[in-house]
Amino acid sequence: EPEVTQTPSHQVTQMGQEVILRCVPISNHLYFYWYRQILGQKVEFLVSFYNNEISEKSEIFDDQFSVERPDGSNFTLKIRSTKLEDSAMYFCASMGSPTNEKLFFGSGTQLSVL
Amino acid sequence: GNSVTQMEGPVTLSEEAFLTINCTYTATGYPSLFWYVQYPGEGLQLLLKATKADDKGSNKGFEATYRKETTSFHLEKGSVQVSDSAVYFCALSDPGSARQLTFGSGTQLTVLP
Repeated sequence: EPEVTQTPSHQVTQMGQEVILRCVPISNHLYFYWYRQILGQKVEFLVSFYNNEISEKSEIFDDQFSVERPDGSNFTLKIRSTKLEDSAMYFCASMGSPTNEKLFFGSGTQLSVL
Repeated sequence: GNSVTQMEGPVTLSEEAFLTINCTYTATGYPSLFWYVQYPGEGLQLLLKATKADDKGSNKGFEATYRKETTSFHLEKGSVQVSDSAVYFCALSDPGSARQLTFGSGTQLTVLP
């Protein structure tokens, strides 16, 4: 089965630094998502992206966050100035058709902000 | 807003035991309901889904029925295996919201031989 690939699997950064989390969605998919899970808490929606623009974003996704699809294959999440509370597992997901509603998730990037 | 409440874990069972993981939801409209599974070191994978009331989703011996009257979508399996050890997430999708998922908190299942 095709896979969503995320890199790196682990990222450690200092508070205030910028990080970019990378995702390669399944090649013919058109809908892209970022979710995150803080340790011990629920998986939370961050943002959805379609047709080169944000479709929807949660209240978590403030001005410190941005997403980009720079080259037609990668889908990136940038956190401009990381905070301690940004430490979480970040999951990328993609979907081909909205009619079957099946999201394919990557294995996640564990972000640790020190 | 939408929310999903899931049975807290961890759950530990012996092989061949019966499994139930409870899930209830709050949503406006008519959401689709899902169970996702996360095996160690892997991403979330769709296990099964149901898109309307009384639908039963099933896969790999797991089943869940969309119960609108009780707003529930409980996951069941008649005889679990060691390989079923994973974290299970209940989720719902509001078709009017760019297909974003609202997740429960996840239930860690460990099956002992």
